[in-house]
Amino acid sequence: GEDVEQSLFLSVREGDSSVINCTYTDSSSTYLYWYKQEPGAGLQLLTYIFSNMDMKQDQRLTVLLNKKDKHLSLRIADTQTGDSAIYFCAEKYGGSQGNLIFGKGTKLSVKP
Amino acid sequence: EPEVTQTPSHQVTQMGQEVILRCVPISNHLYFYWYRQILGQKVEFLVSFYNNEISEKSEIFDDQFSVERPDGSNFTLKIRSTKLEDSAMYFCASSGEDTQYFGPGTRLTVL
Repeated sequence: GEDVEQSLFLSVREGDSSVINCTYTDSSSTYLYWYKQEPGAGLQLLTYIFSNMDMKQDQRLTVLLNKKDKHLSLRIADTQTGDSAIYFCAEKYGGSQGNLIFGKGTKLSVKP
Repeated sequence: EPEVTQTPSHQVTQMGQEVILRCVPISNHLYFYWYRQILGQKVEFLVSFYNNEISEKSEIFDDQFSVERPDGSNFTLKIRSTKLEDSAMYFCASSGEDTQYFGPGTRLTVL
């Protein structure tokens, strides 16, 4: 079945860049997403990329998509302690209003 | 900014009891979803809903689950006879175009 994989933990120093990686299996995915979950909170949509794009930049966030390798990454520039959270990669399955398939999430820890 | 809201934030129930989780989607959205996240596990799709009927459902969404849009604003998930393994965070989401916006979740604890 369809699957999304992420590494579980990432630790960086404040001010450094963070890169969170994700691989997915459904080559027909039209959209890929990054959500952020802070402790005890819901899923906050951070950014998304359409499958015909290679890159999308939104302020400190850069999303890179390698469709051939089915690899998605999220780069956070100048990482702050407030960026500490779990980051979920998700692919949309089954068409434009299909459901999302999530990875297990990468816990980002930012050390001062 | 419009947002998805969910009530209650935390529900504790006894095994075998019925629970109803409530969601108010973003007002101009037409597609609605329920997901759940068992502690420490992935967020899993349960069901999608459009035009007053279920569009898709996962294997998890068995006969003990049902969804309803009882009026123009609410979207509910009912679990008829809760089991211990139903303990999880339940997220509602709504979508207008390409992106799904999630509510803050309801933590369901089944004792």
